[in-house]
Amino acid sequence: QVTLRESGPALVKPTQTLTLTCTFSGFSLTTNGMCLSWIRQSPEKALEWLALIDWDDDKFYSTSLKTRLTISKDTSKNQVVLTMTNVDPVDTATYYCARSRKSGDFPEYFENWGQGTLVTVSS
Amino acid sequence: DIQMTQSPSSLSASVGDRVTITCRASQRIGTYLNWYQQKPGKAPKLLIYAASSFQSGVPSRFSAGGSGTDFSLSISSLQPEDFATYYCQQSYSTPFFTFGPGTKVDVK
Repeated sequence: QVTLRESGPALVKPTQTLTLTCTFSGFSLTTNGMCLSWIRQSPEKALEWLALIDWDDDKFYSTSLKTRLTISKDTSKNQVVLTMTNVDPVDTATYYCARSRKSGDFPEYFENWGQGTLVTVSS
Repeated sequence: DIQMTQSPSSLSASVGDRVTITCRASQRIGTYLNWYQQKPGKAPKLLIYAASSFQSGVPSRFSAGGSGTDFSLSISSLQPEDFATYYCQQSYSTPFFTFGPGTKVDVK
């Protein structure tokens, strides 16, 4: 059974760095094709993909946020960490981690999601 | 980035109604299109992948199709558990995924 759980601070101040952790079970991020993404959902309910790390430790970032994001994995702990620098109130959102798999040219999809963690950016 | 739009943004319907949601991509994406259902306070849940393939456990009252730029998700006979928000998502420009703005289906 695949499970993912996000953790991190509920409140951060503007200009601070946000660190979120996704702890997962039921799969290995070293398995060929396995990927894990961070996705956020604003209070207005828009979903925005942020970053992805794959089994080969390749990392990809949203074009609009790439200067502020870093994604990393610790396979021994089954964790993926996202850091976001210089946060602003517009970064207030629920942050999800989600699993997908690459398989040749077959369409990818997010088949498993964590329950999400709400982060509020406010002074 | 590939932009996704959905229509309508919301709709009101009754149990037993047939409802259809459309999703349009700003460029051709083949069948690299997925649909998710989200209920309040919950994470999105995968319903449909590759435009028309059902995730395990999705009821047969759901149907989906399309290719290129235009896609649809239909529910043949709306059930109480189907009141939710539905999102489309493209994976053509992997891994630079984008989602539609969502369609909220609520009770008339």
